[in-house]
Amino acid sequence: DQQVKQNSPSLSVQEGRISILNCDYTNSMFDYFLWYKKYPAEGPTFLISISSIKDKNEDGRFTVFLNKSAKHLSLHIVPSQPGDSAVYFCAASPGNKLVFGAGTILRVKS
Amino acid sequence: NAGVTQTPKFQVLKTGQSMTLQCAQDMNHNSMYWYRQDPGMGLRLIYYSASEGTTDKGEVPNGYNVSRLNKREFSLRLESAAPSQTSVYFCASSGSRTGAQPQHFGDGTRLSIL
Repeated sequence: DQQVKQNSPSLSVQEGRISILNCDYTNSMFDYFLWYKKYPAEGPTFLISISSIKDKNEDGRFTVFLNKSAKHLSLHIVPSQPGDSAVYFCAASPGNKLVFGAGTILRVKS
Repeated sequence: NAGVTQTPKFQVLKTGQSMTLQCAQDMNHNSMYWYRQDPGMGLRLIYYSASEGTTDKGEVPNGYNVSRLNKREFSLRLESAAPSQTSVYFCASSGSRTGAQPQHFGDGTRLSIL
């Protein structure tokens, strides 16, 4: 039973436009949410996080939104750049562990 | 500025062989983790160590053992490798015991079992 779901395996966006990546979770005990970015042959790198007491967190071009009632979070990238092309993983934490989604491949076309 | 270092980067084993994957971090982190990544399944937790001297099972621990050698090092052992253990293995560390800090990952070990 997948507790963290990324229902879009891939997303293609034009350079300069907004990329929106979505993530749904089922466990109400999750209290900390993260997005990671992964390039081929490298480990995941931390991008941005949000605590369950907030509904938005912003860091430069990246914004994460959390809707607790819908158990849904999203990552907005504005403007999208070709270097943003990577696999994006959503993760959630109920404590000292992380539960990952399956990932979404983002392709930003120039 | 090494962060999390994993060795080896690639390995091919025959079914039944044993192997230890090594992981070391230089960030003075308390918690360390081992994941495997399979196509379409994201990262799944194998074992973790919240602090030196403790280890706990994750989501997929069968067929693996771990050792938290000291604060820096956390190794993963396959005693009798099986083709189902073909995967990319990632080690991670975190400064928090409670999970409210990001984990930092190594670049992975690509393991093929024939």
